[in-house]
Amino acid sequence: GESVGLHLPTLSVQEGDNSIINCAYSNSASDYFIWYKQESGKGPQFIIDIRSNMDKRQGQRVTVLLNKTVKHLSLQIAATQPGDSAVYFCAENAGGTSYGKLTFGQGTILTVHP
Amino acid sequence: SAVISQKPSRDICQRGTSLTIQCQVDSQVTMMFWYRQQPGQSLTLIATANQGSEATYESGFVIDKFPISRPNLTFSTLTVSNMSPEDSSIYLCSVVVGDLRGQYFGPGTRLTVT
Repeated sequence: GESVGLHLPTLSVQEGDNSIINCAYSNSASDYFIWYKQESGKGPQFIIDIRSNMDKRQGQRVTVLLNKTVKHLSLQIAATQPGDSAVYFCAENAGGTSYGKLTFGQGTILTVHP
Repeated sequence: SAVISQKPSRDICQRGTSLTIQCQVDSQVTMMFWYRQQPGQSLTLIATANQGSEATYESGFVIDKFPISRPNLTFSTLTVSNMSPEDSSIYLCSVVVGDLRGQYFGPGTRLTVT
């Protein structure tokens, strides 16, 4: 089936820097996207979502950008902190009969150095 | 959001045995799902747990191996049957809250099969 993938499996940044995590998706029918953060030993934590009728959405210190032309989305984390160290997953959903069924990307390990 | 708990949090089981994992939500939810996360990998949807009817399984997953129950809108179980070492994974339940498509995940059950 179609899948969601990530360009970079690992990302190391210094505390205070901005982080950008990228994700490519292949299902052109996908109209809803989510970013999750997973810390060691825990379940994925919902960070931010975006619908396909938008190209940008901002939260607290995070921004998600969606480029439907090239099927790409990114998660930007401002002023990255050591507590942001985790694995980040993008996920997509196509709606319709697939409502609620998420397809996950491979994940990016973010390491923030003090 | 919703508060989701899973039991057990972890277990070590012998080959050929079965384990039932419980998922409890603090509020009534329409949609519940079960995912598998193999070591160092991303999440894969196993099935949709349907209240009052048989679960809907994704390609590669069958009822005989992963029977699911959902007796009400706050509780579901997933059984991993006739286990082999390849079943060693984290098993997670998730829920859709209200009309939001973003899902919330439980903490996961870490299963090791020896």
